[in-house]
Amino acid sequence: NAGVTQTPKFQVLKTGQSMTLQCAQDMNHEYMSWYRQDPGMGLRLIHYSVGAGITDQGEVPNGYNVSRSTTEDFPLRLLSAAPSQTSVYFCATNQAYSNQPQHFGDGTRLSIL
Amino acid sequence: AQKITQTQPGMFVQEKEAVTLDCTYDTSDPSYGLFWYKQPSSGEMIFLIYQGSYDQQNATEGRYSLNFQKARKSANLVISASQLGDSAMYFCAMRAREAGGYNKLIFGAGTRLAVHP
Repeated sequence: NAGVTQTPKFQVLKTGQSMTLQCAQDMNHEYMSWYRQDPGMGLRLIHYSVGAGITDQGEVPNGYNVSRSTTEDFPLRLLSAAPSQTSVYFCATNQAYSNQPQHFGDGTRLSIL
Repeated sequence: AQKITQTQPGMFVQEKEAVTLDCTYDTSDPSYGLFWYKQPSSGEMIFLIYQGSYDQQNATEGRYSLNFQKARKSANLVISASQLGDSAMYFCAMRAREAGGYNKLIFGAGTRLAVHP
């Protein structure tokens, strides 16, 4: 049981490049989310989805785009990478019940030069 | 505004002793949930324990317990009999409801715990 799989684990980009961070889950969870983790700031929500075809913005959505065409996949796109987007990115999933924890992928460490 | 505050950037404890990691929260929603996650140096996020706002008793999971004081809006994590493997970053998080029923998590800045032999 893979759970939540994020690829790649590490990536270095140049300013202005675009890329897609992949997130796939085999837990059949309705909810999926993307967070970024920066030192001293905990995790902040970028975008989330409550089901296939439905996405919404979180706390820090600027510069990022998402789509959810299937229950399993929730890719995060950086449209034009900026140094301020250097961070560790986590994908998380959870069931549609309030007392269930979110299950996190192992993270993607992204550096923008 | 909904907010989680962890005031201890770093803590250390001797092996086999107990340690308390502080967490205070702010919300006007009467229904909320509080979570603690552990992040070891390898980077993954590991769920530890959950406390619901209507739960009558403090949550416990093995060596982890949550000291929930609703009137003070605090949800401190207590780790008993610390082990070297407990050295990690610990995050307190609060469930907050969003449009469409989605429950997002609001995270604190974290506390880095070091367990000394």
